[in-house]
Amino acid sequence: EVQLLESGGGLVQPGGSLRLSCAASGFSFNSYAMSWVRQAPGKGLEWVSAISGSGTNTYYTDSVKGRFTISRDKSKNTLYLQMNSLRAEDTGFYFCAKDLYMGSGSNHDLIYDYWGQGTLVTVSS
Amino acid sequence: QSVLTQPPSVSGASGQRVTISCTGGSSNIGAGYDVHWYQQLPGTAPKLLIYGNTNRPSGVPDRFSGSKSGTSASLAITGLQAEDEADYYCQSYDSSLSGRVVFGGGTRLTVL
Repeated sequence: EVQLLESGGGLVQPGGSLRLSCAASGFSFNSYAMSWVRQAPGKGLEWVSAISGSGTNTYYTDSVKGRFTISRDKSKNTLYLQMNSLRAEDTGFYFCAKDLYMGSGSNHDLIYDYWGQGTLVTVSS
Repeated sequence: QSVLTQPPSVSGASGQRVTISCTGGSSNIGAGYDVHWYQQLPGTAPKLLIYGNTNRPSGVPDRFSGSKSGTSASLAITGLQAEDEADYYCQSYDSSLSGRVVFGGGTRLTVL
């Protein structure tokens, strides 16, 4: 059974940092692209970042470029999102999500067949 | 402002059919990129409902169907049930600027 379990959320002041983790199990982690998708309270879904199965290719939405870094550790089957210079508008639930197809190297055709339960990030003074 | 436009809300009586539209442009749906649909029940993570415009993952009832034409896509739900009350999101890829995955703004379905 595929499971994705996020952790690392919390309350942080503007300008601060957090690192989110997503522990994956039940599938060949190294073979699938993974993404982070966020949702501000009461709002819609917003794609944040993606990484290929090999970790070679990374992609970001413009508003987080230069501030967030996505990475993965194949030895721990874990996806990460390092978030620096946090802003109030970064507040929301952060979901990790698995791509449907094995071996996707681009972000042109990502399809999310499994999602974690989300971890809440609150940026406030 | 989402690149993909969905109606904020739709409603239908139990047993009826409803459709949810997802309107894009020449840099996303109109450029040939596939559309996928997700259902999000209150307080839960999204669930994949339709992928590749028309395909249903195993376990998704055939009451749910998707279509795509030109710069738009649609999700149809027949035989509405109370458990279908949820938020629905379309997703595609947009090649403008630096390129990114894009979601519609979401549609709240109310079953009357």
